[in-house]
Amino acid sequence: DIQMTQSPSSLSASVGDRVTITCRASQGISNYLAWYQQKPGKIPNLLIYAASTLQSGVPSRFSGSGSGTDFTLTISSLQPEDVATYYCQKYNSAPRTFGQGTKVEIK
Amino acid sequence: EVHLVESGGVVVQPGGSLRLSCAASGFTFDDYTMHWVRQAPGKGLEWVSLISWDGDSTYSADSVKGRFTISRDNSKNSLYLQMNSLRAEDTAFYYCAKDKSNSGWGGLDYWGQGTLVTVSS
Repeated sequence: DIQMTQSPSSLSASVGDRVTITCRASQGISNYLAWYQQKPGKIPNLLIYAASTLQSGVPSRFSGSGSGTDFTLTISSLQPEDVATYYCQKYNSAPRTFGQGTKVEIK
Repeated sequence: EVHLVESGGVVVQPGGSLRLSCAASGFTFDDYTMHWVRQAPGKGLEWVSLISWDGDSTYSADSVKGRFTISRDNSKNSLYLQMNSLRAEDTAFYYCAKDKSNSGWGGLDYWGQGTLVTVSS
């Protein structure tokens, strides 16, 4: 099975900083990758699908890129409401594995 | 508006069985692949199982294969997860989630609020 590895596991950044989270697949998955945001105590929310397509209603400061095995989620200007754990998920085939998550905090 | 409402989570003894249900509304249920995802308290997301729009295709994570069975009743707009031979490590919030694409290849765009399954003696 394909493994999904996110880095870093956690990060602390200042408001307004550019934040980048990486997700690596152990084998190529084309662009079949989604990113989710899960705020504390809340259910996950789809941010990006097809590696780079923004889900409706998601702020434009979020962006995704990558194809094959290496993907990134970027927050162009971190806001206090972006405090959350972010997960990538592959969906090219089953199992639809999630990454282990990246916890984003404000410095 | 899309709504997914899970039910059936309780405290169950190791080795026991349980069936979770998910009632769907606000979309054409039988057009979409549906999923179960779980999250142990304080831990990350773990994909559990999926079922195609017509119920003909199902897939499960290795951690639950042979113990959990996903099913659906399109006439009732409902998704189910039959959980047998439960273990302590199955303790988690269980979410049902809708696939974004009606081809079955998309992210999960709607999630229920979850139901807590606790496996403990």
